[in-house]
Amino acid sequence: GAGVSQSPRYKVAKRGQDVALRCDPISGHVSLFWYQQALGQGPEFLTYFQNEAQLDKSGLPSDRFFAERPEGSVSTLKIQRTQQEDSAVYLCASSRTGQSNSPLHFGNGTRLTVT
Amino acid sequence: AQSVTQLDSHVSVSEGTPVLLRCNYSSSYSPSLFWYVQHPNKGLQLLLKYTSAATLVKGINGFEAEFKKSETSFHLTKPSAHMSDAAEYFCVVSPDTGNQFYFGTGTSLTVIP
Repeated sequence: GAGVSQSPRYKVAKRGQDVALRCDPISGHVSLFWYQQALGQGPEFLTYFQNEAQLDKSGLPSDRFFAERPEGSVSTLKIQRTQQEDSAVYLCASSRTGQSNSPLHFGNGTRLTVT
Repeated sequence: AQSVTQLDSHVSVSEGTPVLLRCNYSSSYSPSLFWYVQHPNKGLQLLLKYTSAATLVKGINGFEAEFKKSETSFHLTKPSAHMSDAAEYFCVVSPDTGNQFYFGTGTSLTVIP
């Protein structure tokens, strides 16, 4: 496939459970971003990778959130001990270079519902 | 500091009439600017981008945007709305320092038959 792929599309977790969200970026794209989108809101930046290096994690809301991209391709966003306020759509985007003139290409997102 | 303001949270137009979605930005550096569209339960799709070339940018599905530095604006237009244009639209600014993309709060476009 030519686009960014995210799985699962939907995830329901009970409060306190751990979840792992996967992102397969476009092949060859150097940069990978994670965003959180609450209902009716715009995407909010979580973290950014250049290849396997996590260059910016300033948007992660708490130390329960962890992201990795060990081989510079697939990335996983992990949320430990989920809380109801974590319910949102989690969007992954990749960019060919990560420079400002290289647009983001988004996946369809993972909708997380914490009950 | 960088920021993006989408001046209208909701816009409603009749099918076949022009569309105007407004966006103003502030950026300390020469920015790149983008418009994305999001249909329900979908990811964001790139409509068009401005990256310091021509100030009038043409995108997909008949959309255009004009970069006006003096007004710090990047409004999105389309001459004739189609029912399939109903969606959420996001204006995005990225300063030329690299890897940050700042999103507006979105404009919901409704197209009335």
